[in-house]
Amino acid sequence: GENVEQHPSTLSVQEGDSAVIKCTYSDSASNYFPWYKQELGKGPQLIIDIRSNVGEKKDQRIAVTLNKTAKHFSLHITETQPEDSAVYFCAAIPNFGNEKLTFGTGTRLTIIP
Amino acid sequence: KAGVTQTPRYLIKTRGQQVTLSCSPISGHRSVSWYQQTPGQGLQFLFEYFSETQRNKGNFPGRFSGRQFSNSRSEMNVSTLELGDSALYLCASSLGPAPHYNEQFFGPGTRLTVL
Repeated sequence: GENVEQHPSTLSVQEGDSAVIKCTYSDSASNYFPWYKQELGKGPQLIIDIRSNVGEKKDQRIAVTLNKTAKHFSLHITETQPEDSAVYFCAAIPNFGNEKLTFGTGTRLTIIP
Repeated sequence: KAGVTQTPRYLIKTRGQQVTLSCSPISGHRSVSWYQQTPGQGLQFLFEYFSETQRNKGNFPGRFSGRQFSNSRSEMNVSTLELGDSALYLCASSLGPAPHYNEQFFGPGTRLTVL
């Protein structure tokens, strides 16, 4: 089955700076890669996703890049704000068979005012 | 459009008891997945239901079971509770089953504490 590794486990960034979280996956058949943000006391919220037919996707201050050859994908947050403080999870799933979303272990991002 | 709702939000049980958690998906969503979230193990997949049928199951003992109703609402049940079952149980809904419909939207979770 799929295995997703996520780094770093914790990240502190000065407000206004950029944050980058990286994930690697093991199954070359994986073709859908979502990122979730989980705030304290809430369920994970889908913030951006990318499919394997594109290399980059951007939504305002958030972007995701995908390198299929190296089997890794990254979340980039620019101009960070205090409300970006949360735990971020990456995930991956193949596009066939009876598969399920496999999640990374999470990154706790803290924005320092 | 209302999001995924889960009830109850908090639950305290003692070892050996059983518990039933409920999930109402987003209107129009027909697939429901359940996850267990703990600090040590992260987000672990329990099972997925679509059209009242279990399509996929994670590596959990038979004490964990679920079902889905014709209106897509789902319940999960844990019998003979153990201390290690203390966790946040999350429900996620999507338009259809994985892998064709991969966007999953999570509810706020049910925090289960086993004493």
